[in-house]
Amino acid sequence: DAMVIQNPRYQVTQFGKPVTLSCSQTLNHNVMYWYQQKSSQAPKLLFHYYDKDFNNEADTPDNFQSRRPNTSFCFLDIRSPGLGDAAMYLCATSRAPSGRLFHEQFFGPGTRLTVL
Amino acid sequence: DAKTTQPPSMDCAEGRAANLPCNHSTISGNEYVYWYRQIHSQGPQYIIHGLKNNETNEMASLIITEDRKSSTLILPHATLRDTAVYYCIVRVRYGGATNKLIFGTGTLLAVQP
Repeated sequence: DAMVIQNPRYQVTQFGKPVTLSCSQTLNHNVMYWYQQKSSQAPKLLFHYYDKDFNNEADTPDNFQSRRPNTSFCFLDIRSPGLGDAAMYLCATSRAPSGRLFHEQFFGPGTRLTVL
Repeated sequence: DAKTTQPPSMDCAEGRAANLPCNHSTISGNEYVYWYRQIHSQGPQYIIHGLKNNETNEMASLIITEDRKSSTLILPHATLRDTAVYYCIVRVRYGGATNKLIFGTGTLLAVQP
C-alpha cells in the first residue's frame, strides 16, 4: 500500500545534540510537510516543500531545518535540541496541482522525540 | 483563515450517532470546512470537507448551516475505534497551490461501550 513512513518512531537525543528525523513516501506526492505536535496540543506546521521549493512558516525557529534530496524523502534536522523541542513530529504529503482543487494531506505515524 | 470553536470533549455510546459541532462564525464565502481526526499515537486522517452543501462519504456526513457559521460532523454508527480527537478546520481552497492546515484545539470524542 502507498504510504508515508517515518523513522524512527521513537527518538531520544541529548540536550544540544543534533538530531535528524526522516520521512519517506510511496505516494509520489510533490508536496511534503513537517508538523510539530506537543503533548495535548494540536499539530503546528513548521514548513513544507513544494517540489524543491522550501517554504518556512514565519514562526518556525532557526533551530529547525529541512532537506528534501528527492521526491520520496524529506528530513527534519534539529540543530541544537532543547527540552522544549520534545514533541511528536509529523510528516505529511499531498499532490498539487491536480484536477481537484482540494489536496488531501496524508500523514505518517509520527516520530516521538525525547530530549534528555 | 477563519477561526473555529469546538467543544473540548464529548462522549458517545457505541452504535449511536456521534454529532460533533463546530462554530466558524467568521467564515468567508470562499472558505471550506474540513474535518480531520487523530487517533491516539497516529497521524491525523482526512475525513470529509464541504463548502455549503451537505456532504456524505463512507466515513461520515457533514452538515453545514445555511448561513455557514457552523457545521456538524456526523458519524452515523460510532464504534470504539472512532475514539479520537476531531479537528474542524476552515481555510481557502487553493487552486494549484499547497493546502496548509491550521489545526485548532479539536474535540476529543470518547466512544463508550
